[in-house]
Amino acid sequence: EIVLTQSPGTLSLSPGERATLSCRASQSVSGSYLAWYQQKPGQAPRLLIYAASSRATGIPDRFSGSGSGTDFTLTISRLEPEDFAVYYCQQYGSSPSTFGQGTRLEIK
Amino acid sequence: EVQLVESGGGLVQPGGSLRLSCAASGFTFSSYDMHWVRQATGKGLEWVSAIGTAGDTHYPGSVKGRFTISRENARNSLYLQMDSLRAGDTAVYYCARGRRGSSWALDDWGQGTLVTVSS
Repeated sequence: EIVLTQSPGTLSLSPGERATLSCRASQSVSGSYLAWYQQKPGQAPRLLIYAASSRATGIPDRFSGSGSGTDFTLTISRLEPEDFAVYYCQQYGSSPSTFGQGTRLEIK
Repeated sequence: EVQLVESGGGLVQPGGSLRLSCAASGFTFSSYDMHWVRQATGKGLEWVSAIGTAGDTHYPGSVKGRFTISRENARNSLYLQMDSLRAGDTAVYYCARGRRGSSWALDDWGQGTLVTVSS
C-alpha cells in the first residue's frame, strides 16, 4: 500500500501569510489521484482539492493544489482565520486508498 | 442539499458485532460510489471500505474478512457490518460519498457515529 507522509507536522503562521503543506508518497500516485481535506475540531473532513489540482465545489480560490508522481503540495495563498485546522492528503489511485497523518495549521 | 446520517454505533465487547447504517438524501444515491472512513480519537483518517454503483466492494487489509459493506438503493441506505471487532476498531465511523468522475475523492461526509470496542 502507498504510504503518505505529510510535512510539517505542525505549521505556525499568522493570518494573511502563505501556507505550503507537503504530501509525499512512498510510490507514484496513479493518475495524480490525490485529494486534500480540511478538518476542524468536532467536524467531519471537508474536501478541498481532488485530482491533485482541481478545487471542489465552493472552495475559495486561495486554496490550490499541485504536484504529480510522489510529491504534492497544498498552498493557501493568504490565510484567513477560518483556515486554521488540520489538513489531510489522500491517495486514491490504487487500492487501498490511504491518508497522510495530517498537518496541523495553527495560529502563530 | 446532500445529507448523510450515520447510526448504529455504540459499545460492543471484543469479538462482537455491530451494524452501522447511513441514510442518504438530497442526491441520486444509486449513482454514486459510497465509502466508510474511520477516525480514532485524536488520530488521523483511515479508509475502511467502498462500494461501487455496481455493487463491487473494496477493503483494506486491516478489515478484510471482518467487515462487509453493502447498499440498498431502494432505501437510499449504506451499511457496514462489522464482525470480530477488536479494540483497535474503536473510532468514529464516517459515511462519505465519492465524487462523480473522481469517485474515491470524498465530497460529502456525515457527522459520524462512535464505535467503542471494550470489555
